[in-house]
Amino acid sequence: GNSVTQMEGPVTLSEEAFLTINCTYTATGYPSLFWYVQYPGEGLQLLLKATKADDKGSNKGFEATYRKETTSFHLEKGSVQVSDSAVYFCALTEGRDKIIFGKGTRLHILP
Amino acid sequence: DTAVSQTPKYLVTQMGNDKSIKCEQNLGHDTMYWYKQDSKKFLKIMFSYNNKELIINETVPNRFSPKSPDKAHLNLHINSLELGDSAVYFCASRRQGAEAFFGQGTRLTVV
Repeated sequence: GNSVTQMEGPVTLSEEAFLTINCTYTATGYPSLFWYVQYPGEGLQLLLKATKADDKGSNKGFEATYRKETTSFHLEKGSVQVSDSAVYFCALTEGRDKIIFGKGTRLHILP
Repeated sequence: DTAVSQTPKYLVTQMGNDKSIKCEQNLGHDTMYWYKQDSKKFLKIMFSYNNKELIINETVPNRFSPKSPDKAHLNLHINSLELGDSAVYFCASRRQGAEAFFGQGTRLTVV
């Protein structure tokens, strides 16, 4: 089946630093790719998505590009804020019905 | 007007008890899910229903039984609760091919 591998955390950065969280996947067919964010004590929220190769998803200053040749969907942000501290999940669809999640990366931003 | 709502938010119960968690979505989605999130934040799919029909049943003990009275509701009943069932349980829904929307989670603690 499809699977997602994302970098293990926690990742600790200072405010205004550049962020990259790596995500690679294995899949048959052409899955849709997602990044979700989970703030403390809350459910998961969709951060951005891409549905086909070379698509770039973006939201709240975060970006990720669907790279079929490297099977990657790395999350980037140019200047992080303390409020970005959360757990980030990379995910992809499998078949018609499943969404498979990575193990999550905890991000700490120091003021 | 919460999109995916689940109750209760917190549930503390003794080993051996039977408990239920309810989930409702008002998005008109056909597919609903239950996910389990452990203490390390790892998300594992448990069940999925499409229009009241069970379509995904991962390796979950028989003590867990989902019920979908209509396509807007997916409840989770757990018999003979064990310490290892302690986790956060998330309900989600989606339209085919699109992203999933998550509830706020139910933190289950078995003592």
